[in-house]
Amino acid sequence: DIQMTQSPSAMSASVGDRVTITCRASQGISNYLAWFQQKPGKVPMRLIFAASNLHSGVPSRFSGSGSGTEFTLTINSLQPEDFATYYCLQHSGYPHTFGQGTKLEIK
Amino acid sequence: QVQLVESGGGVVPPGTSLRLSCAASGFTFKTYAMHWVRQTPGRGLEWVAFVSYDGSLKYYVDSVKGRFTISRDNSKDTLYLQMSSLRTNDTALYYCAREYDLVTGVDYWGQGTLVTVSS
Repeated sequence: DIQMTQSPSAMSASVGDRVTITCRASQGISNYLAWFQQKPGKVPMRLIFAASNLHSGVPSRFSGSGSGTEFTLTINSLQPEDFATYYCLQHSGYPHTFGQGTKLEIK
Repeated sequence: QVQLVESGGGVVPPGTSLRLSCAASGFTFKTYAMHWVRQTPGRGLEWVAFVSYDGSLKYYVDSVKGRFTISRDNSKDTLYLQMSSLRTNDTALYYCAREYDLVTGVDYWGQGTLVTVSS
Protein backbone atom coordinates (compact mmCIF):
# COMPACT_ATOMS: atom_id res chain seq x y z
CA ASP A 1 0.00 0.00 0.00
CA ILE A 2 1.11 3.57 -0.65
CA GLN A 3 1.62 5.53 2.57
CA MET A 4 1.03 9.27 2.61
CA THR A 5 3.00 11.24 5.19
CA GLN A 6 1.51 14.66 5.73
CA SER A 7 3.23 17.42 7.66
CA PRO A 8 2.86 19.27 9.86
CA SER A 9 0.03 17.61 11.76
CA ALA A 10 -0.93 20.97 13.22
CA MET A 11 0.14 24.54 12.83
CA SER A 12 -0.91 28.00 13.83
CA ALA A 13 -0.80 31.06 11.61
CA SER A 14 -2.20 34.56 11.35
CA VAL A 15 -4.58 36.12 8.87
CA GLY A 16 -2.52 37.29 5.91
CA ASP A 17 0.22 34.66 6.35
CA ARG A 18 1.37 32.24 3.69
CA VAL A 19 1.35 28.59 4.73
CA THR A 20 2.61 25.41 3.14
CA ILE A 21 1.51 21.84 3.85
CA THR A 22 3.42 18.85 2.51
CA CYS A 23 2.47 15.29 1.60
CA ARG A 24 5.07 12.67 0.78
CA ALA A 25 4.15 9.40 -0.89
CA SER A 26 6.01 6.19 -0.09
CA GLN A 27 6.30 5.54 -3.83
CA GLY A 28 5.72 7.53 -6.97
CA ILE A 29 2.12 8.44 -7.70
CA SER A 30 2.64 10.72 -10.71
CA ASN A 31 0.11 13.52 -10.15
CA TYR A 32 -2.73 11.39 -8.79
CA LEU A 33 -3.15 13.58 -5.74
CA ALA A 34 -5.93 15.77 -4.42
CA TRP A 35 -6.22 18.18 -1.49
CA PHE A 36 -9.35 18.57 0.62
CA GLN A 37 -10.40 21.10 3.24
CA GLN A 38 -12.65 20.10 6.10
CA LYS A 39 -14.23 22.43 8.63
CA PRO A 40 -15.60 21.12 11.93
CA GLY A 41 -18.85 19.23 11.43
CA LYS A 42 -18.70 19.69 7.67
CA VAL A 43 -18.00 17.53 4.65
CA PRO A 44 -14.54 17.51 3.07
CA MET A 45 -14.39 19.88 0.11
CA ARG A 46 -11.95 19.40 -2.76
CA LEU A 47 -9.50 22.25 -3.32
CA ILE A 48 -6.97 20.81 -5.74
CA PHE A 49 -7.03 17.86 -8.15
CA ALA A 50 -4.28 16.28 -10.23
CA ALA A 51 -1.75 17.85 -7.85
CA SER A 52 -1.94 21.38 -9.17
CA ASN A 53 -5.38 22.08 -10.63
CA LEU A 54 -7.80 24.33 -8.76
CA HIS A 55 -11.27 22.88 -8.22
CA SER A 56 -14.08 25.04 -9.57
CA GLY A 57 -15.01 27.89 -7.26
CA VAL A 58 -11.93 27.59 -5.04
CA PRO A 59 -10.17 30.91 -4.40
CA SER A 60 -6.92 31.47 -6.27
CA ARG A 61 -4.97 31.93 -3.02
CA PHE A 62 -4.92 28.12 -2.87
CA SER A 63 -2.37 26.35 -5.04
CA GLY A 64 -0.86 22.89 -5.32
CA SER A 65 2.39 21.62 -6.73
CA GLY A 66 4.46 18.49 -6.98
CA SER A 67 4.69 15.20 -8.79
CA GLY A 68 6.01 11.76 -8.03
CA THR A 69 6.47 11.56 -4.27
CA GLU A 70 6.41 15.10 -2.91
CA PHE A 71 3.47 17.49 -3.00
CA THR A 72 2.64 20.81 -1.42
CA LEU A 73 -0.49 22.81 -0.77
CA THR A 74 0.13 26.53 -0.40
CA ILE A 75 -2.33 29.07 0.90
CA ASN A 76 -1.38 32.67 0.20
CA SER A 77 -2.75 35.47 2.35
CA LEU A 78 -4.70 33.35 4.84
CA GLN A 79 -8.29 34.37 5.38
CA PRO A 80 -10.37 33.70 8.51
CA GLU A 81 -12.43 31.07 6.67
CA ASP A 82 -9.28 29.07 5.82
CA PHE A 83 -8.78 27.84 9.36
CA ALA A 84 -9.68 24.18 8.99
CA THR A 85 -8.14 20.73 8.61
CA TYR A 86 -6.50 19.81 5.31
CA TYR A 87 -6.00 16.32 3.88
CA CYS A 88 -4.18 14.95 0.88
CA LEU A 89 -5.49 11.88 -0.95
CA GLN A 90 -3.55 9.70 -3.36
CA HIS A 91 -5.56 7.82 -5.97
CA SER A 92 -2.76 6.25 -7.95
CA GLY A 93 -3.78 2.76 -6.93
CA TYR A 94 -5.85 0.75 -4.53
CA PRO A 95 -6.24 1.19 -1.70
CA HIS A 96 -6.46 4.95 -2.02
CA THR A 97 -4.85 6.54 1.01
CA PHE A 98 -5.17 9.82 2.87
CA GLY A 99 -2.60 11.82 4.72
CA GLN A 100 -3.11 12.14 8.45
CA GLY A 101 -4.39 15.70 8.15
CA THR A 102 -3.08 19.15 9.07
CA LYS A 103 -5.08 21.22 11.50
CA LEU A 104 -4.57 24.89 10.74
CA GLU A 105 -5.41 27.12 13.69
CA ILE A 106 -5.44 30.84 14.27
CA LYS A 107 -2.38 32.21 16.06
CA GLN B 1 -26.06 20.30 -8.48
CA VAL B 2 -24.45 17.09 -7.30
CA GLN B 3 -26.23 15.64 -4.29
CA LEU B 4 -25.31 12.52 -2.38
CA VAL B 5 -27.44 11.52 0.59
CA GLU B 6 -26.38 8.65 2.80
CA SER B 7 -28.69 6.70 5.08
CA GLY B 8 -28.80 3.45 7.04
CA GLY B 9 -26.42 4.22 9.86
CA GLY B 10 -27.20 3.38 13.45
CA VAL B 11 -26.07 1.70 16.66
CA VAL B 12 -25.50 -2.03 16.33
CA PRO B 13 -23.75 -4.70 18.44
CA PRO B 14 -20.50 -6.32 17.28
CA GLY B 15 -20.92 -9.21 14.87
CA THR B 16 -24.07 -7.92 13.25
CA SER B 17 -24.78 -6.48 9.81
CA LEU B 18 -25.89 -3.15 8.42
CA ARG B 19 -26.54 -1.81 4.95
CA LEU B 20 -25.77 1.78 4.05
CA SER B 21 -27.34 3.53 1.08
CA CYS B 22 -26.33 6.61 -0.85
CA ALA B 23 -28.94 8.26 -3.05
CA ALA B 24 -27.48 10.29 -5.88
CA SER B 25 -29.03 13.16 -7.81
CA GLY B 26 -28.01 16.09 -9.95
CA PHE B 27 -25.79 14.05 -12.26
CA THR B 28 -25.92 10.95 -14.45
CA PHE B 29 -25.15 8.40 -11.76
CA LYS B 30 -24.67 5.44 -14.10
CA THR B 31 -21.64 7.08 -15.76
CA TYR B 32 -19.60 7.69 -12.59
CA ALA B 33 -17.54 5.42 -10.38
CA MET B 34 -18.26 5.74 -6.65
CA HIS B 35 -16.45 5.31 -3.36
CA TRP B 36 -17.12 4.85 0.33
CA VAL B 37 -14.84 6.67 2.78
CA ARG B 38 -15.05 6.64 6.57
CA GLN B 39 -13.86 9.01 9.25
CA THR B 40 -13.13 8.62 12.93
CA PRO B 41 -11.66 11.15 15.34
CA GLY B 42 -8.74 8.88 16.08
CA ARG B 43 -7.89 7.55 12.62
CA GLY B 44 -8.87 10.47 10.38
CA LEU B 45 -10.12 9.70 6.89
CA GLU B 46 -9.90 6.15 5.57
CA TRP B 47 -10.83 5.04 2.08
CA VAL B 48 -13.04 1.94 2.26
CA ALA B 49 -14.26 0.77 -1.13
CA PHE B 50 -14.66 1.54 -4.84
CA VAL B 51 -17.10 0.44 -7.52
CA SER B 52 -16.84 1.20 -11.21
CA TYR B 53 -19.64 2.94 -13.08
CA ASP B 54 -21.17 -0.36 -14.17
CA GLY B 55 -20.44 -2.37 -11.02
CA SER B 56 -17.96 -4.66 -12.74
CA LEU B 57 -14.90 -3.56 -10.76
CA LYS B 58 -14.69 -3.41 -7.00
CA TYR B 59 -11.83 -2.72 -4.62
CA TYR B 60 -11.63 -2.70 -0.82
CA VAL B 61 -9.27 -1.70 1.94
CA ASP B 62 -7.78 -4.84 3.52
CA SER B 63 -9.50 -4.29 6.88
CA VAL B 64 -12.97 -4.77 5.36
CA LYS B 65 -12.29 -7.39 2.68
CA GLY B 66 -14.58 -10.36 3.08
CA ARG B 67 -16.90 -8.42 5.41
CA PHE B 68 -18.08 -5.43 3.36
CA THR B 69 -19.60 -5.45 -0.11
CA ILE B 70 -20.02 -2.38 -2.27
CA SER B 71 -22.72 -2.42 -4.93
CA ARG B 72 -24.90 -0.11 -6.93
CA ASP B 73 -28.29 -0.03 -8.60
CA ASN B 74 -28.06 2.30 -11.56
CA SER B 75 -31.81 2.04 -12.15
CA LYS B 76 -32.33 3.61 -8.73
CA ASP B 77 -29.32 5.98 -8.73
CA THR B 78 -28.22 4.41 -5.49
CA LEU B 79 -24.95 3.14 -4.05
CA TYR B 80 -24.81 0.60 -1.24
CA LEU B 81 -22.39 -0.70 1.34
CA GLN B 82 -23.35 -4.01 2.92
CA MET B 83 -21.40 -4.41 6.13
CA SER B 84 -21.28 -7.70 8.04
CA SER B 85 -19.35 -9.08 11.00
CA LEU B 86 -19.11 -5.54 12.28
CA ARG B 87 -16.37 -4.70 14.76
CA THR B 88 -16.07 -1.90 17.27
CA ASN B 89 -13.33 -0.32 15.17
CA ASP B 90 -15.75 -0.03 12.23
CA THR B 91 -17.41 2.75 14.21
CA ALA B 92 -17.17 5.82 12.01
CA LEU B 93 -18.95 8.41 9.93
CA TYR B 94 -19.37 6.83 6.49
CA TYR B 95 -19.36 9.04 3.41
CA CYS B 96 -20.15 8.15 -0.16
CA ALA B 97 -18.18 10.08 -2.75
CA ARG B 98 -18.26 10.47 -6.49
CA GLU B 99 -15.23 9.94 -8.68
CA TYR B 100 -15.21 12.43 -11.53
CA ASP B 101 -12.77 10.35 -13.55
CA LEU B 102 -9.62 8.26 -13.13
CA VAL B 103 -7.29 11.22 -13.58
CA THR B 104 -8.96 13.75 -11.32
CA GLY B 105 -10.42 11.40 -8.72
CA VAL B 106 -13.04 12.04 -6.06
CA ASP B 107 -14.79 15.37 -6.27
CA TYR B 108 -18.04 15.47 -4.25
CA TRP B 109 -18.98 13.85 -0.96
CA GLY B 110 -22.26 13.21 0.80
CA GLN B 111 -23.00 14.40 4.34
CA GLY B 112 -22.25 11.03 5.88
CA THR B 113 -24.11 8.51 8.01
CA LEU B 114 -22.89 7.49 11.45
CA VAL B 115 -22.29 3.84 12.27
CA THR B 116 -21.65 2.95 15.89
CA VAL B 117 -20.69 -0.63 16.73
CA SER B 118 -21.09 -1.16 20.43
CA SER B 119 -22.34 -3.77 22.83
